[in-house]
Amino acid sequence: DIQMTQSPASLSASLEEIVTITCQASQNIGNWLAWYQQKPGKSPQLLIYGTTSLADGVPSRFSGSRSGTQYSLKISRLQVEDIGIYYCQQASSTPWTFGGGTKLELK
Amino acid sequence: EVQLVESGGGLVQPGRSLKLSCAASGFTFSNYYMAWVRQAPTKGLEWVASITNSGGSTYYRDSVKGRFTISRDNAKSTLYLQMDSLRSEDTATYYCTRIGYSEVMDAWGQGASVTVSS
Repeated sequence: DIQMTQSPASLSASLEEIVTITCQASQNIGNWLAWYQQKPGKSPQLLIYGTTSLADGVPSRFSGSRSGTQYSLKISRLQVEDIGIYYCQQASSTPWTFGGGTKLELK
Repeated sequence: EVQLVESGGGLVQPGRSLKLSCAASGFTFSNYYMAWVRQAPTKGLEWVASITNSGGSTYYRDSVKGRFTISRDNAKSTLYLQMDSLRSEDTATYYCTRIGYSEVMDAWGQGASVTVSS
């Protein structure tokens, strides 16, 4: 199985701050990488697919990038509504696997 | 508006069975692959099973293979997950998801809670 190692596990940041979350894949997954946001008490929602493409309705302050087998999610200016848990997921091969999650809180 | 509504969750004893349903609306159900994803209490996300749009092919994680069965009724726009020989480690919220472009889960239901305990 492909392992997705996500870091940090938790993160505290201030409003308007730049936030970066990373995911390291255990093998080559190309651009088959997605990011999801789960707000407290809610279902996860798709943020980014294909490493860099924003899902419908996702604000442009979110962006995704890749360097080899390391993937990053960047929030350019943190807003209150961005608080929650973020997960990466590889869709390269089954079993599809998720990172362990990053809990993002306001400082 | 895309909607996925799960039902059928509950408390069940180890070794017993439970069947989850997911009613889909707002899109052409028969055009999409579908999947179940679960989340154990205070834990992360775990893909459970997927099914092609026709229902002709199914895929499972190893830990549920032979115990869970994913199926669909395109005429009723409904996805199912039959769970047999349930174990305590199957305790989780089960999400019905739609598989969109790039094989990602682009729509999620509200989740159905399954608790396996004696």
